[in-house]
Amino acid sequence: GQQVMQIPQYQHVQEGEDFTTYCNSSTTLSNIQWYKQRPGGHPVFLIQLVKSGEVKKQKRLTFQFGEAKKNSSLHITATQTTDVGTYFCATLYQAGTALIFGKGTTLSVSS
Amino acid sequence: DGGITQSPKYLFRKEGQNVTLSCEQNLNHDAMYWYRQDPGQGLRLIYYSQIVNDFQKGDIAEGYSVSREKKESFPLTVTSAQKNPTAFYLCASSPDRTVTDTQYFGPGTRLTVL
Repeated sequence: GQQVMQIPQYQHVQEGEDFTTYCNSSTTLSNIQWYKQRPGGHPVFLIQLVKSGEVKKQKRLTFQFGEAKKNSSLHITATQTTDVGTYFCATLYQAGTALIFGKGTTLSVSS
Repeated sequence: DGGITQSPKYLFRKEGQNVTLSCEQNLNHDAMYWYRQDPGQGLRLIYYSQIVNDFQKGDIAEGYSVSREKKESFPLTVTSAQKNPTAFYLCASSPDRTVTDTQYFGPGTRLTVL
């Protein structure tokens, strides 16, 4: 069935370094959503990508949807301690009535 | 103040007991969802409902039951048939039935079965 694979599972960086997480699928995706979950918190929606090759930016965060719509990435420039958390990608399944989530990438940042 | 509420935040139960987790939203959203989160497993869909009095099984529905008698409420019952119920349970809602828009999550209930 539909699956999205996220890599890496964990990433530790020094504050100021860049960070990238990847979301991959063997099938063409209709969309990609990205969520952030702070430690002890709940997922919060960041962005949705729907077009092939789409790139969106939110301050230091850059989101990309691949040309073939089979992969996506989230890149954070110059990480800060406030970026700590788990980042999930998600996509539509069940005929567009529900989301399936990747297992997430947990980012830790040391100052 | 609009949003999704889940209560309680922490819940302890003895093995063999059924337990019901509440989820209420005042966002007037049509669709509601229940997810289970285990360490390293991401979010797995248990049940979802697109409209009152209708709901569908997700990937891991065995041992769980739900009801959707009111638009704003979607309680989840963890039954004694659920083999490993200890987990973090998240409720979410979405404005429309096709999930083309964002999902809004509640704060979650951490269930521990002793």
